[in-house]
Amino acid sequence: EAGVAQSPRYKIIEKRQSVAFWCNPISGHATLYWYQQILGQGPKLLIQFQNNGVVDDSQLPKDRFSAERLKGVDSTLKIQPAKLEDSAVYLCASSLEQVWNEKLFFGSGTQLSVL
Amino acid sequence: AQSVTQLGSHVSVSEGALVLLRCNYSSSVPPYLFWYVQYPNQGLQLLLKYTSAATLVKGINGFEAEFKKSETSFHLTKPSAHMSDAAEYFCAVKDSGYALNFGKGTSLLVTP
Repeated sequence: EAGVAQSPRYKIIEKRQSVAFWCNPISGHATLYWYQQILGQGPKLLIQFQNNGVVDDSQLPKDRFSAERLKGVDSTLKIQPAKLEDSAVYLCASSLEQVWNEKLFFGSGTQLSVL
Repeated sequence: AQSVTQLGSHVSVSEGALVLLRCNYSSSVPPYLFWYVQYPNQGLQLLLKYTSAATLVKGINGFEAEFKKSETSFHLTKPSAHMSDAAEYFCAVKDSGYALNFGKGTSLLVTP
């Protein structure tokens, strides 16, 4: 089966610019997650969607980050304006349903460098 | 909130030696624990998961982990390391909203 697709693979921008990342989850997966992975650290949850509704965005810096999941399938994550500390890999993951033993499937991520 | 702590950010073993990667959890409820592996420039892949069915969990590529409630641990082991095991390993626990909370990761280096 096709995995979680993310694009672009790499992005380099200057601080204060805007950037957007795209994610296409595995077909039929209702739950979608965006994680931020800073170099040398574990992934940190930014936002979680169930279909097109937000389940948890408590760790999303809402003054500069936004995300949407229109029609409950694809999702975009936007940063505006970017800061140096936003340099990280942004991972998208999806799962079939919200249960305790359900595993998450991860995309390869988008590596963002803010100069 | 549920959390995990991985002891040792870097572990180095010789090829053929035992691999032991440590993970301790903090949870107010019975935890659901996972180990993921991340190879360079790739996404995270599930190695194994603990869901209370059995305390010894076998995963892919010869890895296994044992859940010890008395020690709040879920250490990952492999009897004999291969060069291809060199990667970043993450322990994670399901949080109340069903998302995963990850540890900081352990980088495994395998030397010839």
